[in-house]
Amino acid sequence: KNEVEQSPQNLTAQEGEFITINCSYSVGISALHWLQQHPGGGIVSLFMLSSGKKKHGRLIATINIQEKHSSLHITASHPRDSAVYICAVRSGNNDMRFGAGTRLTVKP
Amino acid sequence: GAVVSQHPSWVICKSGTSVKIECRSLDFQATTMFWYRQFPKQSLMLMATSNEGSKATYEQGVEKDKFLINHASLTLSTLTVTSAHPEDSSFYICSAPGNPGYTFGSGTRLTVV
Repeated sequence: KNEVEQSPQNLTAQEGEFITINCSYSVGISALHWLQQHPGGGIVSLFMLSSGKKKHGRLIATINIQEKHSSLHITASHPRDSAVYICAVRSGNNDMRFGAGTRLTVKP
Repeated sequence: GAVVSQHPSWVICKSGTSVKIECRSLDFQATTMFWYRQFPKQSLMLMATSNEGSKATYEQGVEKDKFLINHASLTLSTLTVTSAHPEDSSFYICSAPGNPGYTFGSGTRLTVV
């Protein structure tokens, strides 16, 4: 069993829909990251969370430490949001373990 | 914000040759650099952690003599794929801890023919 599990693996949405991507982890962490990987491969760090909730524009990330679960929400989705979203957890020694990613396609 | 510059973006090389990939932290000092590999449709896998001034730490199953890592200064870490084989073809990406998050290089797509 992977240390970091993401769901769904693939997600297709219509423009404007509210999107949720889930991440569950089984190890102790110091922080959880949500990353966005574009088709060319480049990776952008969206959020780093250790508790609670963060919001940036149309993106919202939440984490429940007790349940070892995090969600990434996208409101009013747009085709430019199409990418692979990766959940990663950081342990105390600073290395990161990654989920398999969720491939999001937003259709116009 | 913090930027990690990774070069080259892509490279094609012949089997048996060596390829060097560089990651530079442009506006901050990176005492640690993580190197990852990503095969098609798979997630990132940590290969090794480089630390300025000391030997790199390799993950289990990663050959340290094949993937040479050098952290020459506080702003430069390099990964050299030696005697490359087609199975080394992959996407390689580096990342440095920043404040608060992590900064990733743009990645290097290596194709060994």
